[in-house]
Amino acid sequence: AQSVTQLGSHVSVSEGALVLLRCNYSSSVPPYLFWYVQYPNQGLQLLLKYTSAATLVKGINGFEAEFKKSETSFHLTKPSAHMSDAAEYFCAVEIQGAQKLVFGQGTRLTINP
Amino acid sequence: KAGVTQTPRYLIKTRGQQVTLSCSPISGHRSVSWYQQTPGQGLQFLFEYFSETQRNKGNFPGRFSGRQFSNSRSEMNVSTLELGDSALYLCASGQGDRGTGELFFGEGSRLTVL
Repeated sequence: AQSVTQLGSHVSVSEGALVLLRCNYSSSVPPYLFWYVQYPNQGLQLLLKYTSAATLVKGINGFEAEFKKSETSFHLTKPSAHMSDAAEYFCAVEIQGAQKLVFGQGTRLTINP
Repeated sequence: KAGVTQTPRYLIKTRGQQVTLSCSPISGHRSVSWYQQTPGQGLQFLFEYFSETQRNKGNFPGRFSGRQFSNSRSEMNVSTLELGDSALYLCASGQGDRGTGELFFGEGSRLTVL
């Protein structure tokens, strides 16, 4: 069965510091992986996706993620955090053969001034 | 291009009642999925409809049902509401092609059951 695990339900960084949000996946087949962001009282917005092309994926708002098959990881990074990055971030894997996503538990990112 | 529209945004019901939530997908999208979001369980898949047919279903009791109309709009219904049904219900639309996975989410309908 395909699943994702996000390490750390809360991450706090200073403005201007590196953001690193961790995601590990479990899949017996090459996965499609996604990062979504959710701002308060809003739905989910796609940040970036990996669909077996380049292993380093660039997304919106300066975020990027690297697919590492050997580590079964798809960590999300941003070199310099902005206050506007404060939100909840979800890693997700697409179930093979279905347009259905399985989400991690989410990581709440707080930015300290 | 208009996004995914969900109505109502907020609603309060009492135990035992039933509720219907509506979702209008992005124009041209034929797939509509529903997810339940709660603090304890996170985001859980309810079901997906494609061209008026339920294509996938999550592990929810039969009180949760849905349908899709010929214009791709979708509704979900929860009967005999329980306190634990309080949640944010998110609708997502997609082109329906398996293997692409990109979904576009609405802002959700927040249901409170008293």
